[in-house]
Amino acid sequence: DTEVTQTPKHLVMGMTNKKSLKCEQHMGHRAMYWYKQKAKKPPELMFVYSYEKLSINESVPSRFSPECPNSSLLNLHLHALQPEDSALYLCASSQIRQGGGPYNEQFFGPGTRLTVL
Amino acid sequence: GIQVEQSPPDLILQEGANSTLRCNFSDSVNNLQWFHQNPWGQLINLFYIPSGTKQNGRLSATTVATERYSLLYISSSQTTDSGVYFCAGDDYKLSFGAGTTVTVRA
Repeated sequence: DTEVTQTPKHLVMGMTNKKSLKCEQHMGHRAMYWYKQKAKKPPELMFVYSYEKLSINESVPSRFSPECPNSSLLNLHLHALQPEDSALYLCASSQIRQGGGPYNEQFFGPGTRLTVL
Repeated sequence: GIQVEQSPPDLILQEGANSTLRCNFSDSVNNLQWFHQNPWGQLINLFYIPSGTKQNGRLSATTVATERYSLLYISSSQTTDSGVYFCAGDDYKLSFGAGTTVTVRA
């Protein structure tokens, strides 16, 4: 199984709502990632989890709160978002090199298209 | 992170044509990937190619790590090849180029 799944596919939320994005992989990968992609731009890294611990936070506003409940699951909790947060949110996973070195090939899910009204 | 430059930014091809996409890196990278993003947003892995040459059907890629560039070749292009092609490389995180938008016309 070489698939990363994400739910929901689409999400519309108001600025006062709380919602969560979910990501799951069954490839035995121990690194998981959240990316944000605005229209006509490349993906930008938000967070990296390695061995279920947050290892990189790319100065993301606190209204985005990641969580990694186990090695297969990654959540992104959303609260008090702004319209400019509307984007495609992509999850990815990869192996970690032995010795904890740079990350290996990343595999991406289909994304959640988020609209904030 | 490293800087990634992709060229050309846009490419229009007639079906059956061949093309080359280029990716330059500002520094040496440990991992290098090529992706195709389809109209629905899915990033599809094409190649994981930190160095050397690989081929997969009509696509092939070459990375010259010592000169910090990678090339993606599309041969006998088809309309299904349309979309955005990204290269990405990392030091501590995966940094993407701006992408090449490919349009293949029937």
